[in-house]
Amino acid sequence: SQQGEEDPQALSIQEGENATMNCSYKTSINNLQWYRQNSGRGLVHLILIRSNEREKHSGRLRVTLDTSKKSSSLLITASRAADTASYFCAPWDSNYKLTFGKGTLLTVNP
Amino acid sequence: GAVVSQHPSRVICKSGTSVKIECRSLDFQATTMFWYRQFPKKSLMLMATSNEGSKATYEQGVEKDKFLINHASLTLSTLTVTSAHPEDSSFYICSASPSVGGPYEQFFGPGTRLTVL
Repeated sequence: SQQGEEDPQALSIQEGENATMNCSYKTSINNLQWYRQNSGRGLVHLILIRSNEREKHSGRLRVTLDTSKKSSSLLITASRAADTASYFCAPWDSNYKLTFGKGTLLTVNP
Repeated sequence: GAVVSQHPSRVICKSGTSVKIECRSLDFQATTMFWYRQFPKKSLMLMATSNEGSKATYEQGVEKDKFLINHASLTLSTLTVTSAHPEDSSFYICSASPSVGGPYEQFFGPGTRLTVL
């Protein structure tokens, strides 16, 4: 399947540090999206990067995409306690569907 | 903008009863809505895709007679879990997309926690 797989499964850092999460996928994509989910809540769209883009920024977020390696990374700079959440990557495939992995659980300690 | 609501946020029911969950796009018309199911510490599993005015497309392994989906208008889709059993207990999340196809983001509802006793 086209399911994105996030790595690491869990990440614990101190407030102010940077957090990097990685994502791998299997086949060609049109775009790849990153979402955040707070415990017991719905998903919040963070950023979309198209297959012809290599890097994208949004506030404290930086996303990279390497289609040759079929991988993406999400960097959160100067993390805050409020960034504590699960982060999912979701490749958008030719079937116009998002498929989610198990996510990375980020804990930012104050 | 682009707000999606779900109702109820939490429901507890007895085994054998049916439960209806509503998903509404509040400030845009959603030609496509998606229903997901999420188990604790697991990924979201796509259950079905519904387009307004047509039958839902179910993913492999999802029973269409058990999970009835109706997308009667451009702002409302409903998921009915029929004859619910304890194994149907889960977190159900809907999302809505304002475009048919295309590389557009989905806007997610806050989810509905279903507990079947």
